[in-house]
Amino acid sequence: QKEVEQNSGPLSVPEGAIASLNCTYSDRGSQSFFWYRQYSGKSPELIMFIYSNGDKEDGRFTAQLNKASQYVSLLIRDSQPSDSATYLCAVKGGTSYGKLTFGQGTILTVHP
Amino acid sequence: DADVTQTPRNRITKTGKRIMLECSQTKGHDRMYWYRQDPGLGLRLIYYSFDVKDINKGEISDGYSVSRQAQAKFSLSLESAIPNQTALYFCATSDVDRDWNEQFFGPGTRLTVL
Repeated sequence: QKEVEQNSGPLSVPEGAIASLNCTYSDRGSQSFFWYRQYSGKSPELIMFIYSNGDKEDGRFTAQLNKASQYVSLLIRDSQPSDSATYLCAVKGGTSYGKLTFGQGTILTVHP
Repeated sequence: DADVTQTPRNRITKTGKRIMLECSQTKGHDRMYWYRQDPGLGLRLIYYSFDVKDINKGEISDGYSVSRQAQAKFSLSLESAIPNQTALYFCATSDVDRDWNEQFFGPGTRLTVL
C-alpha cells in the first residue's frame, strides 16, 4: 500500500461544476496535510494546508480532513478552465518527521 | 528575481557521465530538499538537509549524492548517470519546522540520460 494515495485520474469536469479530489494516507501519526497545484511544465505551488479535523475554506477551495478515516480531500467550487492542472496531496509528520510525502497526483481538466 | 533557482534548466547527457544539478535560494531557509518527478509517481524525495551540517537520505537516494555548500546552496550529483534517472528534478526549501510549513519549489531541471 502506498503511503499517500490519490484518486486515479484524470478527472474531467465541466466549467462551473465542483471538482472533488481525494487522498488517503497510511501513517496514522501524520499531522499536516497539503494540497499543491502543478501546471504542466511548472513547479508545484501550495494552495491549501490543513491540520485540524473538519473543513477549511479559502475562496473557491475547501480542504476537508478526517483523521479517523485517514482521509483528506480538496473541493474546488465553480471550477474554471484555469484550474486545469495536476493536484498533489502531501502529508507531513508521523514517521516522516519534517518531510513531506506526496501522492502520485490527480490530473484535473475543466472543460468549457 | 526568483527565490529558488536551479541550474541547468535542461540537460541531456549520456550514460556513465557525471552530472551536477545546482540549487540556490535567497529565502534564508535552513531546510532544503531534492525531489524527482516521474509521470504518474508524484514527487519522490532523494535527499534533504535541515542545516549545513545535516544531510539525510530520502526514499530514493541510490545513485545520487548531495553537497550542502552553504545555507543557500544545495547540489545534487549523479556520479554515473543511467537512463532510468531521466526525470524532472526539483529543489525545494522550507523554514524551521512548523506543522503548516510550506515548501517552496524551484523551477525544475529536466534531465535526459541517453
